[in-house]
Amino acid sequence: NAGVTQTPKFQVLKTGQSMTLQCAQDMNHEYMSWYRQDPGMGLRLIHYSVGAGITDQGEVPNGYNVSRSTTEDFPLRLLSAAPSQTSVYFCASSASSPGNTIYFGEGSWLTVV
Amino acid sequence: ELKVEQNPLFLSMQEGKNYTIYCNYSTTSDRLYWYRQDPGKSLESLFVLLSNGAVKQEGRLMASLDTKARLSTLHITAAVHDLSATYFCAVPRYSGGGADGLTFGKGTHLIIQP
Repeated sequence: NAGVTQTPKFQVLKTGQSMTLQCAQDMNHEYMSWYRQDPGMGLRLIHYSVGAGITDQGEVPNGYNVSRSTTEDFPLRLLSAAPSQTSVYFCASSASSPGNTIYFGEGSWLTVV
Repeated sequence: ELKVEQNPLFLSMQEGKNYTIYCNYSTTSDRLYWYRQDPGKSLESLFVLLSNGAVKQEGRLMASLDTKARLSTLHITAAVHDLSATYFCAVPRYSGGGADGLTFGKGTHLIIQP
C-alpha cells in the first residue's frame, strides 16, 4: 500500500548544485503535481502533469524542471539550487475525474546552503 | 487570479468548545478540498466538497460549501486535543481540474488546550 512515494526525505545542497526529487505513485493516477510549502505561505503549485508526456507550469515554476515519461513517475529537477529553494516539497496524485481524492506524498525537506 | 483566504490563521481554543474556520475564494468553483496537516507530516484529506450546498461530516468535523458566496466552512464540535493541527482549504485552479493544480489557503493553525 505505497501510495505516493517521495525520495529523498531530507537533502542538503550547496548553492549551484543540481538534484532531482523523485516521486512515484502506484495507483495508476493520470494527474500528478509538485508543490512547495514555506512557513506562512501554504502550499504553492510548481508544476503539474495530466498524463505521460504532458506537463505544465504552476504558480512558482522558475528554477524547476519536470518531465513525465511514465504514468508512475514525476521527477522534479533543480538545475542550479538557490537558498530561496529551501523548502518542503510535496508530490500529489489523483485520478482524472473531478472530485477524486488527491493524495500527497510524505514530503521532501530540502535545505540549500 | 484565484485567491483563497482562510481565517483565522491561528486559533487557540479549549476542549469542549465549538468553533468554525472560514475559507473564502475569489473565482467560481464548484469544488473545494479540506486537508489536515500535523507538524512535520504530509497532508491528510478530510473532505472533498463537490457541489453547492454540499455538507460532509466526519466525527467532530463538519464541512460545508456555498458556491454562490464562494465560502466554505469547517466546523469543529466539542473540540478535543487530538484535533490540534493545521487545516488547509484548497480550490482547483481550473474548472474541472483536480490534481492538475490546487490553490491553497495559508492554513489555520489550531491548538486545542485541555
